[in-house]
Formats: sequence, structure tokens, C-alpha cells
Amino acid sequence: GAGVSQSPSNKVTEKGKDVELRCDPISGHTALYWYRQSLGQGLEFLIYFQGNSAPDKSGLPSDRFSAERTGGSVSTLTIQRTQQEDSAVYLCASSLQGRNGYTFGSGTRLTVV
Amino acid sequence: RKEVEQDPGPFNVPEGATVAFNCTYSNSASQSFFWYRQDCRKEPKLLMSVYSSGNEDGRFTAQLNRASQYISLLIRDSKLSDSATYLCVVNIPRGKLTFGQGTILTVHP
Repeated sequence: GAGVSQSPSNKVTEKGKDVELRCDPISGHTALYWYRQSLGQGLEFLIYFQGNSAPDKSGLPSDRFSAERTGGSVSTLTIQRTQQEDSAVYLCASSLQGRNGYTFGSGTRLTVV
Repeated sequence: RKEVEQDPGPFNVPEGATVAFNCTYSNSASQSFFWYRQDCRKEPKLLMSVYSSGNEDGRFTAQLNRASQYISLLIRDSKLSDSATYLCVVNIPRGKLTFGQGTILTVHP
């Protein structure tokens, strides 16, 4: 597609439920990043994919968080047993080779009630 | 020490002013450098890449000093529409893209 697409744009879920967030990067982009941003805070790195592999998972906050990427394209971020502190905007970015910068999707705003 | 450090500001400047933001990074293996801007409740958008020789895009000039591990952004003739948070971003080879906390700029009439 023309840009990075994320879905859903908004998600309200009950504490304890599982959620799945989707990122569809720009066609042909090999690098894909997940970040989250709480209100008024900076971007917190979660995970990075190069193709289908994840060289750096160091940012995942707990084992309730997991992510996968298949076919070198779409990625899903799954949060199990959601907690209120998981409420944030989850942002995905992709890049062809990195040197030309990264394009962000408009994010998924997750609210855990 | 944070991997990428920025002065959070806020910077409040009048229209037409020149304003400069600084950023330092800790990983000497860093190879790619960028400035992004983020408007309130929006995703970050690439403003410009930063090259060793320095580069300019209209009213915006970016500089990189590898020896000091320092990046700067200069905005000339500030416009109201320049009000945003400016993010310094650093990438190491095959590594994660690391963001500074951002510098808040408000341009007032």
C-alpha cells in the first residue's frame, strides 16, 4: 500500500482480555518496528523485525506481549491478559533499508478498562 | 545514561525567530540519524535525515558531529505551523531505531 496501515485504529477492551494489533507495512519494506507511546510520554521500543526474524525483542515489557511477522509483510502484536497499564498508542513503522528513514502508521489507541 | 538525549524544552519563540535543538547519542556505532516531528496525538513524521556533511531543507538545517556524538537542528524564520515536538532518532546497523524524548517547540504570534 501507499503507507503503513494499522488496525484497529481504536480498541477498548476489558482487563484480562487478549488483544491483537495488526500492522501492514509499505510493500517491499523489510524492516518493521513496534513502539508504544503513553499520553505525554516518549516512544518506547517494543520489538524490531528484519524480514520475518526478530533480532531484538528486548523491549517487550513482559511475557504477555508477543509479536510475529509472516511472509516478510504483515505483523501482529498480541497482548494477553491485558492490564490497565497496557493502555497506550501502539505505533508501527517500516523501512526499506533504514538509511532513508522510517514511515509510521497512524497507530492503534488501546484502552484497557 | 540514556541512549539518545534531548533537552525537552519547552521552547517558546515568536514567529520569525531562529531556534536550535541539540541531541547527543551514546552508541558510537550509530550510523543513521534523523529528525522527526510529532504533532499532538499524531504519529511521528520524518522531517529530515542527517548527514555527516550537514544538510539543509528550506528553513531547516541539520548537522552531525560524529566525534562529539552530537546532532543539531536549526529552524530559521519560525512559523506558527512549526509548533510540534521534535524527535532526534538514531539507528545502529541491524539494530533498533532509538528515539529521544523529544523537544517541544511552540511558536507564538
